[in-house]
Amino acid sequence: GDSVTQMEGPVTLSEEAFLTINCTYTATGYPSLFWYVQYPGEGLQLLLKATKADDKGSNKGFEATYRKETTSFHLEKGSVQVSDSAVYFCALSLPRDDKIIFGKGTRLHILP
Amino acid sequence: DSGVTQTPKHLITATGQRVTLRCSPRSGDLSVYWYQQSLDQGLQFLIQYYNGEERAKGNILERFSAQQFPDLHSELNLSSLELGDSALYFCASSAGALESYEQYFGPGTRLTVT
Repeated sequence: GDSVTQMEGPVTLSEEAFLTINCTYTATGYPSLFWYVQYPGEGLQLLLKATKADDKGSNKGFEATYRKETTSFHLEKGSVQVSDSAVYFCALSLPRDDKIIFGKGTRLHILP
Repeated sequence: DSGVTQTPKHLITATGQRVTLRCSPRSGDLSVYWYQQSLDQGLQFLIQYYNGEERAKGNILERFSAQQFPDLHSELNLSSLELGDSALYFCASSAGALESYEQYFGPGTRLTVT
């Protein structure tokens, strides 16, 4: 079935380090791909999205490129800040199913 | 602030009881989604309503039910509660029926079953 697999956390980095959180997906058809972020005590917020192959989503310094050939949508940021500490969820949606499938989430800790 | 409100923020109840969680979507949004977030299961989609009608069903137990009212607010009813139902329950809303619309999440209701 359709699924999303993302790297397990927690991921701990120092401030200004380079971040990569891996995400791969399995889906029949052509999904839209998303990254959501959940800050402590809050609900999820859409961080970025890509709706077709080779699209790059970007927001707040984060980027992810929809790679159909490797079925991946890795999240990257060049220089992380303490305020980026949160849980990051990779997700996909297929219009035929009318639902979003989330990965298990990756907790990110940024040390000052 | 996403514009989605959920009440109550916290709920503590005993096994076997029934609770109702309430969600008000963003102004103008027609779709409401319910999710359960627990440590072992991650984020699980439960059910979606669009303009008062059930649109999609996920991993929702038979003990759980939901509805969306004419004013578009939604309620999630959980009955015969078990310890394993302790979780964060999120509501999200979107403008339309398809998942390609961005979903806006509420702050969640933390349910503790003792």
